[in-house]
Amino acid sequence: EPEVTQTPSHQVTQMGQEVILRCVPISNHLYFYWYRQILGQKVEFLVSFYNNEISEKSEIFDDQFSVERPDGSNFTLKIRSTKLEDSAMYFCASTPRLAGRAEQFFGPGTRLTVL
Amino acid sequence: GDSVTQMEGPVTLSEEACLTINCTYTATGYPSLFWYVQYPGEGLQLLLKATKADDKGSNKGFEATYRKETTSFHLEKGSVQVSDSAVYFCALRAAGGTSYGKLTFGQGTILTVHP
Repeated sequence: EPEVTQTPSHQVTQMGQEVILRCVPISNHLYFYWYRQILGQKVEFLVSFYNNEISEKSEIFDDQFSVERPDGSNFTLKIRSTKLEDSAMYFCASTPRLAGRAEQFFGPGTRLTVL
Repeated sequence: GDSVTQMEGPVTLSEEACLTINCTYTATGYPSLFWYVQYPGEGLQLLLKATKADDKGSNKGFEATYRKETTSFHLEKGSVQVSDSAVYFCALRAAGGTSYGKLTFGQGTILTVHP
């Protein structure tokens, strides 16, 4: 069964460093998402991506964040200069369409720890 | 904006006990409603969904009914198993408009089932 994959599973970085989190969505899906979950808190939407551009973003997704689909398979989230409060689990998701009962399929997540 | 409120956890039950996890939402129109489950060390998996009022979603013995009048989508199971121990998230997807399918999540409820 196709699945969304994410790498790495755990990333440790120093404050101020750049990190890139990688995701491979399911191959025939068209809509892609990043969410994050700070430990003990709810899962929060960061950004959605369709047709090679951002379709919607949350207040969290400021200028320090960017997304890219560089090669038609990978979907990346870059944090330019990490802060302590960026420590969280980051989930990638994809869906083939928006209408009807289409579900989002989630990856296993990348745990980002900023020291 | 849209929001989802789940009952506070954690919930601890004995095997074969009945489970109810409350979920209420605030949204305009008729959002789609979902329950996701997160097993230890894994990503989010769709458990069940409902897309219109009075729809009942069901899967693996779990059920939830979309109640427009009470803006609720409570998760129920008649007899829980140890293997049901996980974190359960209620979520909504806004109806149409300019939404690109982002999910709004509740805070999650940790369920532990003892033998």
